[in-house]
Order: sequence, then C-alpha cells, then structure tokens
Amino acid sequence: EPEVTQTPSHQVTQMGQEVILRCVPISNHLYFYWYRQILGQKVEFLVSFYNNEISEKSEIFDDQFSVERPDGSNFTLKIRSTKLEDSAMYFCASTLPGRGLPIFFGPGTRLTVL
Amino acid sequence: AQRVTQPEKLLSVFKGAPVELKCNYSYSGSPELFWYVQYSRQRLQLLLRHISRESIKGFTADLNKGETSFHLKKPFAQEEDSAMYYCALVATSGTYKYIFGTGTRLKVLA
Repeated sequence: EPEVTQTPSHQVTQMGQEVILRCVPISNHLYFYWYRQILGQKVEFLVSFYNNEISEKSEIFDDQFSVERPDGSNFTLKIRSTKLEDSAMYFCASTLPGRGLPIFFGPGTRLTVL
Repeated sequence: AQRVTQPEKLLSVFKGAPVELKCNYSYSGSPELFWYVQYSRQRLQLLLRHISRESIKGFTADLNKGETSFHLKKPFAQEEDSAMYYCALVATSGTYKYIFGTGTRLKVLA
C-alpha cells in the first residue's frame, strides 16, 4: 500500500539556520499538507497546497515558512530562520480529494532547534 | 467557525470495560468526520470515517447531526487500544482543510 514518506526523520539545527523538510506524497494525490505537533500538544494545521499553489495557510505559517513542489514527486517545507519554538514534529500529508476520502500522514520529521 | 472539540485530555479505563471518546464539531455545512489514532511515536493513522459506517478494531462512531457529535465507542477495551485518538473534520468545499481536535489519550489498564 502506498505511503507518504518524509526525510529526515530527525533534524537538529541551530537557531537562525534554514531547514528544509522533505516529503514524498502518495503519487496520485492532489492536495498536500504540512501539520505541526509540538510535544504533548495537538496537531496543528500549517498549510495546504493544491495545483502548485498554497490553497490555505494558518496564522502559524508566517513569512519564515514556505512550501514548494520542485518536481512531480517531492513537497518541501522550508523554514528560513528557525526559532526555538519551531521545535516540533512536522507531518506531511496528502489526499485525493473526494467525498469521504481521508488524509494520509507521513511518519513525521522531528525538528529540534538549539 | 469550523471547530472540533474533544473535551477529555485523558481517559483511563480497565481492560474489558466500555470506552467512549467524545467528539463534538462545529461546521455550518455538511461535514465529513474521521477518527485517527496515533500510537506512541508513530504517524497518525486513519481509524474510521463516518461515511463508511464501518467498525475497525471493534471501534464504531455514529454521526449525530442533532447533537453535532461523532463519539468513538468500543464495548470492550483492550490494552493495545492505548493511544492518542484524534477526531477530525474536513470542510468539503473549498480548500479541503482537515481540522483536528486536541486529542484524547486513552489508557487501558490491565
């Protein structure tokens, strides 16, 4: 069964550095997402992406964040200048939109900002 | 506003006891609702969805539009059910944004 994959599984970075989190969504899916989960807290929506553009973003997704689909398979989240509070688990997800169709999550990238 | 509310952060039950994880939603249109489960340090996995009216791992959930609820139930809890459970709603028009509740941690005690 196809799955969403993410790399790396764990990323450690210094405050102020740029990080790129990578995802390969399920191949025939059309909507792509990034969610964030700070340790012990809820799963928070960051951004959705459809037809090569952002379809919706949350208040968390400020100018420090950007997403890109550089080719037909990868979907990336870039954080330009990381802050301590960016430390979290970042989940990529994808779906083929339609009635009753769920969203499928990747295993997550744990980002630690020191 | 679209919102999913899970009032219990933690629910502890004994093995073999019935379980009900509460979920209430707020959505003006016709919502589609899901339950996801997250075992320790793993990805969120789909448990069930209201549209298919299925039973997965003994869990069921019924959409009650009058009460705007989608509670998750299981008649006899097992230790392997211990996990985080998230109720989710998707707006079916526009951006297909999936909104998650804050989650309920279920602990099944031996």
